[in-house]
Amino acid sequence: DAGVTQSPTHLIKTRGQQVTLRCSPISGHKSVSWYQQVLGQGPQFIFQYYEKEERGRGNFPDRFSARQFPNYSSELNVNALLLGDSALYLCASSLRRGTGNTEAFFGQGTRLTVV
Amino acid sequence: DQQVKQNSPSLSVQEGRISILNCDYTNSMFDYFLWYKKYPAEGPTFLISISSIKDKNEDGRFTVFLNKSAKHLSLHIVPSQPGDSAVYFCAASARGSGTYKYIFGTGTRLKVLA
Repeated sequence: DAGVTQSPTHLIKTRGQQVTLRCSPISGHKSVSWYQQVLGQGPQFIFQYYEKEERGRGNFPDRFSARQFPNYSSELNVNALLLGDSALYLCASSLRRGTGNTEAFFGQGTRLTVV
Repeated sequence: DQQVKQNSPSLSVQEGRISILNCDYTNSMFDYFLWYKKYPAEGPTFLISISSIKDKNEDGRFTVFLNKSAKHLSLHIVPSQPGDSAVYFCAASARGSGTYKYIFGTGTRLKVLA
């Protein structure tokens, strides 16, 4: 069975540009979450989507947006990129909506570099 | 405000010995805790979890202990193997909080020496 897949694996963008990152969850998983991990820190929660609706949002500016499609895949969009957006972006899928007694499975991440 | 803290950025252990990784939390609403392992250029891999109704959970070489009164959890790896060398993150969630996110610590880099 395929795990969580993310594309692309690496990306270099210029300040002010826009970027779209993609994620396919594990088959049967309806919940997709996005996390940002900067060097030396743990992953920080950005969004959670369940059944195509946003269920949670972290402390990120409105430049960050996401959506989930009928097949439960998801996209994360970041507009007006800043140097500080350079990070590893992780997608996680889980079986249930909540986080209680439910582990999330992560993809390999997309390494975004903003120059 | 760092609600989940891993105060040891790194740890070195001899192969075959026990590795103990520690994690402290401040939010008493947290009721589910997880440990993830991360190799370079890969996403975090789920290792083991524990619910707040338990104080111990074991899976092979990995055991997680939870001390709710101290708001402390630890991961024991016995025996440690060179392949265990990675960054370990603890994470916590609050089921009743209405938010569906895990709060991660900053990680501990474990190096197992052959």
